[in-house]
Amino acid sequence: SQQGEEDPQALSIQEGENATMNCSYKTSINNLQWYRQNSGRGLVHLILIRSNEREKHSGRLRVTLDTSKKSSSLLITASRAADTASYFCEPSGSRLTFGEGTQLTVNP
Amino acid sequence: DTEVTQTPKHLVMGMTNKKSLKCEQHMGHRAMYWYKQKAKKPPELMFVYSYEKLSINESVPSRFSPECPNSSLLNLHLHALQPEDSALYLCASSHPPMGNTIYFGEGSWLTVV
Repeated sequence: SQQGEEDPQALSIQEGENATMNCSYKTSINNLQWYRQNSGRGLVHLILIRSNEREKHSGRLRVTLDTSKKSSSLLITASRAADTASYFCEPSGSRLTFGEGTQLTVNP
Repeated sequence: DTEVTQTPKHLVMGMTNKKSLKCEQHMGHRAMYWYKQKAKKPPELMFVYSYEKLSINESVPSRFSPECPNSSLLNLHLHALQPEDSALYLCASSHPPMGNTIYFGEGSWLTVV
């Protein structure tokens, strides 16, 4: 089994800036998902990208997937203070486990 | 709003108490999970139920006892816990098999005194 490894571990930006976080994994996947967790709350599903997709958008979120590099990135555009949260990726085959995540802080 | 409901939201229990955490979902999911999460750490998988049968137990101590009475309900029975068991306990569900989107509840905060 595998789990995604998010990078950077922590990211601090100003409101309005873009935030980019990355995920690497080890073995081939069918899909990869991104989740957000606000402090002390449950995880919320953000987006799923399949292995035959290279890019996917949802509102201010843009996810890319490079299966040759076994990596994915999550871009949040025009960030808001409410985007402050931990972000986790979950590649299929992870057996429902999560990496350490990226802690994003958006300063007003 | 989450469609996975967990109760209670907060629980304080002594080391000799017996208590239960409850989880309910009505999305027709046939896989349900318990996670434990300590501060500033990722959720750790504890148990997986698939079609109401325990399919994964991640070497969890026997003082944690899961139960899946039906396809909508998942319980976690707690007995003789230790202070280090204090954590956020998350319930989640999805359609089997693994790889589908997981829906999480808001969690139950457990404090063992």
